[in-house]
Amino acid sequence: EDQVTQSPEALRLQEGESSSLNCSYTVSGLRGLFWYRQDPGKGPEFLFTLYSAGEEKEKERLKATLTKKESFLHITAPKPEDSATYLCAVQAWGATNKLIFGTGTLLAVQP
Amino acid sequence: NAGVTQTPKFQVLKTGQSMTLQCAQDMNHNSMYWYRQDPGMGLRLIYYSASEGTTDKGEVPNGYNVSRLNKREFSLRLESAAPSQTSVYFCASSEAWGLGDTIYFGEGSWLTVV
Repeated sequence: EDQVTQSPEALRLQEGESSSLNCSYTVSGLRGLFWYRQDPGKGPEFLFTLYSAGEEKEKERLKATLTKKESFLHITAPKPEDSATYLCAVQAWGATNKLIFGTGTLLAVQP
Repeated sequence: NAGVTQTPKFQVLKTGQSMTLQCAQDMNHNSMYWYRQDPGMGLRLIYYSASEGTTDKGEVPNGYNVSRLNKREFSLRLESAAPSQTSVYFCASSEAWGLGDTIYFGEGSWLTVV
């Protein structure tokens, strides 16, 4: 069964304290892995798509990486405005665009 | 830029009542989706419309119906609401349902069934 597990469930960082969020996945054949940011009371907002192991994408303080079993979202020198829930989703071959979401990591960055 | 617009934002229903969640997108996207988000469960697909004139069941379709009214609008109907349908509902759209498309989400509709 296709599955996505995110860890930790919650993470509290001091401003400037770098860390990583993990997304482990089990899928029959990976078409793509997506990272989203979700602010309280809002819908998810797309950040990155990764297609193959070894691929990396960067946006400001965020960098997403992908292996055959997991993806990491690295946050370098975070700021309070990076506080949000970060969602990971995978799309499998033959799944007619079905995205399988993880439950997210709630990130709080304290000044 | 409006993007994906959902109404209502909040709704309280009594068990057995019916209601329709409305969704409209202004990005000329072909595909539209309805998801629900529950604590500890992640986002789950209820129904989707790959293109105008088509609708298909997702992961959790029981108790729901949908209508793709036109290319812009995709509504979700609860015919007889149950407490298990208390959730946050998100409408989303994408240009097509192929790999690599980003999906744009609305801001959500908070539904409580008492």
